Amino acid sequence: DAGVTQSPTHLIKTRGQQVTLRCSPKSGHDTVSWYQQALGQGPQFIFQYYEEEERQRGNFPDRFSGHQFPNYSSELNVNALLLGDSALYLCASSLSGSGGPQETQYFGPGTRLLVL
Amino acid sequence: QKEVEQDPGPLSVPEGAIVSLNCTYSNSAFQYFMWYRQYSRKGPELLMYTYSSGNKEDGRFTAQVDKSSKYISLFIRDSQPSDSATYLCGGLYSSASKIIFGSGTRLSIRP
Repeated sequence: DAGVTQSPTHLIKTRGQQVTLRCSPKSGHDTVSWYQQALGQGPQFIFQYYEEEERQRGNFPDRFSGHQFPNYSSELNVNALLLGDSALYLCASSLSGSGGPQETQYFGPGTRLLVL
Repeated sequence: QKEVEQDPGPLSVPEGAIVSLNCTYSNSAFQYFMWYRQYSRKGPELLMYTYSSGNKEDGRFTAQVDKSSKYISLFIRDSQPSDSATYLCGGLYSSASKIIFGSGTRLSIRP
């Protein structure tokens, strides 16, 4: 049973460019959450997708957008990249509606983005 | 003030010692609490998931929540060098909500 997978593993971009990161949830999961983890910090919530709609959003600018596909996979898009966007981007999947521990979020290995 | 505060360490202990990792939180609306372990350059791995106050044990790990003092702890017994990692605590408003993480504590177990 494959866990959460993310691609690419590493990415280097320059300021002003746009980037798309991809996530496939754990088998049986229908909800995808995205987090940004700066070096030496804990992950910060960006947004969560369920039934192809953004269900919750953290304190991130509109440059950060996402999408969820009918097969529950998801993309994170970041426009007009800034140096401060350099971080590890983590995707977590869960199963909604089951309540309690069944809705636990499981994380993928992350995509490390470097903006020069 | 951050919603979840965690001492960043680093914390270094000898193999076999009991490790105590602690977090405080400010939001009394948190219902669920998590501990994740994160090895260098990897994604966080779930260790413990607790609801409300009390203790929960899983092998060498014990998670403790004291909602009256807004304090959460993770104890590791018989620590091993393979336990060397960053430990993240987090709180959730509901089981489906976002996780509010602390900044992580870096732990090193000396052989």
